[in-house]
Amino acid sequence: EADIYQTPRYLVIGTGKKITLECSQTMGHDKMYWYQQDPGMELHLIHYSYGVNSTEKGDLSSESTVSRIRTEHFPLTLESARPSHTSQYLCASSESGVNYGYTFGSGTRLTVV
Amino acid sequence: RKEVEQDPGPFNVPEGATVAFNCTYSNSASQSFFWYRQDCRKEPKLLMSVYSSGNEDGRFTAQLNRASQYISLLIRDSKLSDSATYLCVVRKDSNYQLIWGAGTKLIIKP
Repeated sequence: EADIYQTPRYLVIGTGKKITLECSQTMGHDKMYWYQQDPGMELHLIHYSYGVNSTEKGDLSSESTVSRIRTEHFPLTLESARPSHTSQYLCASSESGVNYGYTFGSGTRLTVV
Repeated sequence: RKEVEQDPGPFNVPEGATVAFNCTYSNSASQSFFWYRQDCRKEPKLLMSVYSSGNEDGRFTAQLNRASQYISLLIRDSKLSDSATYLCVVRKDSNYQLIWGAGTKLIIKP
């Protein structure tokens, strides 16, 4: 099975709280991605990284931040959660090269109340 | 216009039937192509890559038409377990990012 792990799987948190969603992969992939997906809707890229100390914002405007201090670890932080952040957050990684797809973690389902 | 377009469906198909989806992409310089499968409330999983010459994996056949800029997926002898959303995915350039279609929902009925 996939060697990319996300924690927690489910999180219910109050408005205004700071939260960090964890993503780790053991495949040595340089490239990692965070997507946001609402039920039945398409994937939206919110952040990506091409290696250690490299981070970029994606297509979807996001109030979250990411860091990439180690190859295997790509956490996503929301400084102040709002109900509009309620969604599923999916982390993915890939090898370099045009013929490789992405491997996804199981996702974190976030509910902000 | 979206970079990758798919018919959202749903396609309601009886078990055992053959079903085909198409997907169109806008960037003629796109380099690689994939079909992913996503079950309800789960993460997307790679179903198959799509090669220029077409390729088959069991009951699944993928085709690429670069001239018309479309990709197809054919599922033969459909099973109840094939019910899912099928995502068409295109890598448009060498920065390695994938562009995702919104998905086609398939429902296989007994």
